[in-house]
Amino acid sequence: GAGVSQSPRYKVAKRGQDVALRCDPISGHVSLFWYQQALGQGPEFLTYFQNEAQLDKSGLPSDRFFAERPEGSVSTLKIQRTQQEDSAVYLCASSRDRGYTEAFFGQGTRLTVV
Amino acid sequence: AQTVTQSQPEMSVQEAETVTLSCTYDTSESDYYLFWYKQPPSRQMILVIRQEAYKQQNATENRFSVNFQKAAKSFSLKISDSQLGDAAMYFCVSNAGNMLTFGGGTRLMVKP
Repeated sequence: GAGVSQSPRYKVAKRGQDVALRCDPISGHVSLFWYQQALGQGPEFLTYFQNEAQLDKSGLPSDRFFAERPEGSVSTLKIQRTQQEDSAVYLCASSRDRGYTEAFFGQGTRLTVV
Repeated sequence: AQTVTQSQPEMSVQEAETVTLSCTYDTSESDYYLFWYKQPPSRQMILVIRQEAYKQQNATENRFSVNFQKAAKSFSLKISDSQLGDAAMYFCVSNAGNMLTFGGGTRLMVKP
């Protein structure tokens, strides 16, 4: 596609429910990143993939968070047993190279846990 | 570890005038990039301008330019001839390795 696509745009989950957020990066982009953005704050790094390999998951806040990119393209961020503090916008970004010459962002998924 | 600090939570500028957004950063890396990203209400993060740390010349992109002071670890953004469409959140971002570190953001309001 022309840009990074994320779905759904909005998700309301009941506390304790599992959710899955999808990211379609720009075709051919090697690197893929997930960020969490709380209301009124800057995005915080969650995890990074180079192709299908998850090279850095140091930002995942707990073991309830899990990300995968099995074929080196589409990625899914899964949150198990959601809690209210998980409410945020989840941003996905991809870049052509291994490093960050320019990262292209999706429009994010706004997750609200009630 | 990297840190990025934006000391101005909000800024306001009159249409057609110039405004400067401040940013300081800290990194132990010798090779890094710095960026300014714009985030309008649509949440789409858009790259405004990029600076390679090894380049002394300040980057410019049309009405946008930076003042990069490497020794002071300062990276400010100047917007000239401000337009209503410039209203958004602006994030100063550093990159070293495989992690973008964002500042807290500055909300820019443009008055007609």
